[in-house]
Amino acid sequence: DADVTQTPRNRITKTGKRIMLECSQTKGHDRMYWYRQDPGLGLRLIYYSFDVKDINKGEISDGYSVSRQAQAKFSLSLESAIPNQTALYFCATGQGARETQYFGPGTRLLVL
Amino acid sequence: SQQGEEDPQALSIQEGENATMNCSYKTSINNLQWYRQNSGRGLVHLILIRSNEREKHSGRLRVTLDTSKKSSSLLITASRAADTASYFCATAPSGQGGSEKLVFGKGTKLTVNP
Repeated sequence: DADVTQTPRNRITKTGKRIMLECSQTKGHDRMYWYRQDPGLGLRLIYYSFDVKDINKGEISDGYSVSRQAQAKFSLSLESAIPNQTALYFCATGQGARETQYFGPGTRLLVL
Repeated sequence: SQQGEEDPQALSIQEGENATMNCSYKTSINNLQWYRQNSGRGLVHLILIRSNEREKHSGRLRVTLDTSKKSSSLLITASRAADTASYFCATAPSGQGGSEKLVFGKGTKLTVNP
């Protein structure tokens, strides 16, 4: 079984809709991250969390919110989706400061 | 802003040849990491090199780090078609206190032709 799972894997939604992307991990890591990937732009950090009570904004947090429901679960919400949020979204986990990150398979989101 | 910048953006070689990708960065770092991404999939960690290391090997991978030039290179020897992927460098900047964030470059797209 995969250590970092993301649901859904693909999602099509309409402008203005609220959607949630979910991430679960079995690696026992405290640190969890949400990134988005756009063609030619690499990965950009949206939010990150070092434990259940610690949530931090990344470089592109506007229009997004997150919830760390448990050590193993970190969800990303788009309160009112817009077309320029169409992207590939990745969840990742990490064990220590500045150490290796482990990525989920990604969620491909299309906002019409 | 992006910390690491990979060069070239795209590279096409024949199977059996070596592939070299470079990464340049701007600020001092704690470590530098290389990841591989197969088309549309999650990133997979390849190797981590710390700021006090100059070279590291893992199988057919060789990574070098030159902190004076703020650059790193990833060499894949005897490439195979299965090495076709995008390769990203990620830097862990030092001196950021508790932020502990990795900063990813835009990647090099490697195509290995059979």
